[in-house]
Amino acid sequence: GAVVSQHPSWVICKSGTSVKIECRSLDFQATTMFWYRQFPKQSLMLMATSNEGSKATYEQGVEKDKFLINHASLTLSTLTVTSAHPEDSSFYICSATIAGAGSYNEQFFGPGTRLTVL
Amino acid sequence: AQKITQTQPGMFVQEKEAVTLDCTYDTSDPSYGLFWYKQPSSGEMIFLIYQGSYDQQNATEGRYSLNFQKARKSANLVISASQLGDSAMYFCAILNSNSGYALNFGKGTSLLVTP
Repeated sequence: GAVVSQHPSWVICKSGTSVKIECRSLDFQATTMFWYRQFPKQSLMLMATSNEGSKATYEQGVEKDKFLINHASLTLSTLTVTSAHPEDSSFYICSATIAGAGSYNEQFFGPGTRLTVL
Repeated sequence: AQKITQTQPGMFVQEKEAVTLDCTYDTSDPSYGLFWYKQPSSGEMIFLIYQGSYDQQNATEGRYSLNFQKARKSANLVISASQLGDSAMYFCAILNSNSGYALNFGKGTSLLVTP
């Protein structure tokens, strides 16, 4: 099956610093990648939808200047948390999809990145 | 807008027994897709089963089956012959046509399988 990787798997940083998270589709070209955030004991919430070569579409309430998304190629999307604060501590998960693949838009999830901001 | 409701925060089941996890949904899309994912403590999202709204039969994948009742807008997951390794969070999700076909997730159900 299709494999999506994320790097790093976990990161601890100081408040005010920026953190970059990479999401890669390893054996397929992803037309669309999604970024989700999951706070402890809560569900996954969509942050943004990213298509290769175009600007990301952010969900309501997600600050686009704080969560910078770059989808430079069909296999790589990056999420940069700028000026991170403790309230940004969360589990960030990406997923990738191939438009038109199969009978539905199956999403392939990365293993997630656990961010802790001190 | 699409919405998923999971009303069971936690469930217990004894090993080898069957368990049903509830999921109801709301959507205005004439065609839609429903998913179930398992999330163990490691955090990875494991795809379990998919049901398309126009599928004639209820989806099945090994020990997982989906009790799809379109008129009632429910898509309950049935796990047969529970195993200790089934202990995890389970999320029901629907494709969101307004967000490039991202997934809208329910709040999840925590399943604990006891010996």
